[in-house]
Amino acid sequence: SAVISQKPSRDICQRGTSLTIQCQVDSQVTMMFWYRQQPGQSLTLIATANQGSEATYESGFVIDKFPISRPNLTFSTLTVSNMSPEDSSIYLCSALPQRHGYTFGSGTRLTVV
Amino acid sequence: DAKTTQPTSMDCAEGRAANLPCNHSTISGNEYVYWYRQIHSQGPQYIIHGLKNNETNEMASLIITEDRKSSTLILPHATLRDTAVYYCILKKSSGDKLTFGTGTRLAVRP
Repeated sequence: SAVISQKPSRDICQRGTSLTIQCQVDSQVTMMFWYRQQPGQSLTLIATANQGSEATYESGFVIDKFPISRPNLTFSTLTVSNMSPEDSSIYLCSALPQRHGYTFGSGTRLTVV
Repeated sequence: DAKTTQPTSMDCAEGRAANLPCNHSTISGNEYVYWYRQIHSQGPQYIIHGLKNNETNEMASLIITEDRKSSTLILPHATLRDTAVYYCILKKSSGDKLTFGTGTRLAVRP
């Protein structure tokens, strides 16, 4: 299955700033997904990113807060904008390769102070 | 996608089989049962999936009842490295999203 490299693995950011998280897949994938995992909680889907089109956001998530880029079939970024302490979470990307098993990055642990 | 219900936590002894149940009484005919696990500080890892037949791979076995309203993930010889949160997820054959529930926290004890 595909392997995803996610960067950064962790960061501590000041409130009001923005952080861009990158995910690189070692093979071309049709769809990529971004999740948020708040402390002690399960994963919540933020958006689905297809190459060449606007990302599709889930209820409660908006493009202004979480802009996503998908410039090609192996790469995507998620930006967490104008951060507040409530944005402190683990952010994970996922890819849908040809086979059934979705692959996940190792996550970005974000702390906003 | 339909909802699943899993016990919040379970434990088993190292070397013994771990049987993790999942109820999905409102499953649709075109929904697969997927199992993922998340080891602490890592991203989720795919384990196995099935539609209606029992499945086995190098990691685990998946037993789906005949009416498809429940399933069981079996780790035949649990090790300490199997300590993780296990998620049972339903996904439509034509859909692409994975929707995670709360999962079962499995603790394997020495």
